[in-house]
Amino acid sequence: EAGVAQSPRYKIIEKRQSVAFWCNPISGHATLYWYQQILGQGPKLLIQFQNNGVVDDSQLPKDRFSAERLKGVDSTLKIQPAKLEDSAVYLCASSPGLGRRYQETQYFGPGTRLLVL
Amino acid sequence: RKEVEQDPGPFNVPEGATVAFNCTYSNSASQSFFWYRQDCRKEPKLLMSVYSSGNEDGRFTAQLNRASQYISLLIRDSKLSDSATYLCVVENSGYSTLTFGKGTMLLVSP
Repeated sequence: EAGVAQSPRYKIIEKRQSVAFWCNPISGHATLYWYQQILGQGPKLLIQFQNNGVVDDSQLPKDRFSAERLKGVDSTLKIQPAKLEDSAVYLCASSPGLGRRYQETQYFGPGTRLLVL
Repeated sequence: RKEVEQDPGPFNVPEGATVAFNCTYSNSASQSFFWYRQDCRKEPKLLMSVYSSGNEDGRFTAQLNRASQYISLLIRDSKLSDSATYLCVVENSGYSTLTFGKGTMLLVSP
């Protein structure tokens, strides 16, 4: 079974530029998550989708970050404009999305390493 | 109080040692608990879920104390391949969103 795919794997940009990350979840997984992991920290949830609807985006800095999952499969995360403090690994994860009664495992992609100069 | 707090690391142990990681969480309504493992420059992967009765998977034992809001992970007979960062993870009630601790790094030496 193919895992969660992400691209690009690495990105270097200058502050105030824009950047976009792409994620393709495991086939059939209804729930998709974007996390930000700053060096030395655990992953922090930015946004959670259930199919193409947003379940939780309370920690997404909406003035500069946006995310979409238009067809309920692939997702993109955009930063515009980027700041130095956005340097981090951006992880995408997916889970089956069977419902709240089930304890689900989240499967992570390899991440995109972003460096903002 | 931080939502999920873990022992600061790193832990340096010799092969064959037993090592224990501790974690506390602040949300008493949390329903599910996990330990994830993250190798250097890799993505996190589920190590094991943590059940109220305690559970064991080979050399790994996880325990949960809901009254104290405390989770632990015990690794017996440490191997070089156990070197990684161990993340304590708590599922927030309602939406299956996970809150991760900062992680504790384990270095097992020959």
